[in-house]
Amino acid sequence: KAGVTQTPRYLIKTRGQQVTLSCSPISGHRSVSWYQQTPGQGLQFLFEYFSETQRNKGNFPGRFSGRQFSNSRSEMNVSTLELGDSALYLCASSLGRARTDTQYFGPGTRLTVL
Amino acid sequence: KNEVEQSPQNLTAQEGEFITINCSYSVGISALHWLQQHPGGGIVSLFMLSSGKKKHGRLIATINIQEKHSSLHITASHPRDSAVYICAAGSNTGNQFYFGTGTSLTVIP
Repeated sequence: KAGVTQTPRYLIKTRGQQVTLSCSPISGHRSVSWYQQTPGQGLQFLFEYFSETQRNKGNFPGRFSGRQFSNSRSEMNVSTLELGDSALYLCASSLGRARTDTQYFGPGTRLTVL
Repeated sequence: KNEVEQSPQNLTAQEGEFITINCSYSVGISALHWLQQHPGGGIVSLFMLSSGKKKHGRLIATINIQEKHSSLHITASHPRDSAVYICAAGSNTGNQFYFGTGTSLTVIP
């Protein structure tokens, strides 16, 4: 089976722009979770989508949003980018809910905001 | 206060040593996850446990629900075990997933 894929792998944006990141889960997996990783804050949970519905959400502002399509592929959007949004964004998929199932991580998208 | 605390933050060991990484959490959990992150960023899930003990090769994970504590043990450590190990708590209340700050392990040949 193909693993979790994320596109693009690298992205450079300027403050105020918006960005959309994409995640394709392992075939058959219904849950996609998104995480932000920075040197200062470490890994932080953004949100989880399961069967096209947002189930969990972390403590991030409304500028961070996402969606999941019927084929389980997911997109994450960040509007009005700030310098502090520079981070590695990881997605992970699992058969069941992320809290109680093994997660398979993608390679991440490295976002740099200038 | 962090919901998940890990210790130590950094660990250097000689090849062959027995290693223990500790994780304490303050939230109610559905499950506790141990993750491994190699340089370059790739993350692999090592264990997910809600009670007792699990073993995979040279890796053992234990959890004590009453004490809200989990440990990851590596027996006969090897340089390829060098990585950052992260514990993560899947909360059973609210809608959150909490991460420890990670333990950076270096195993010297």
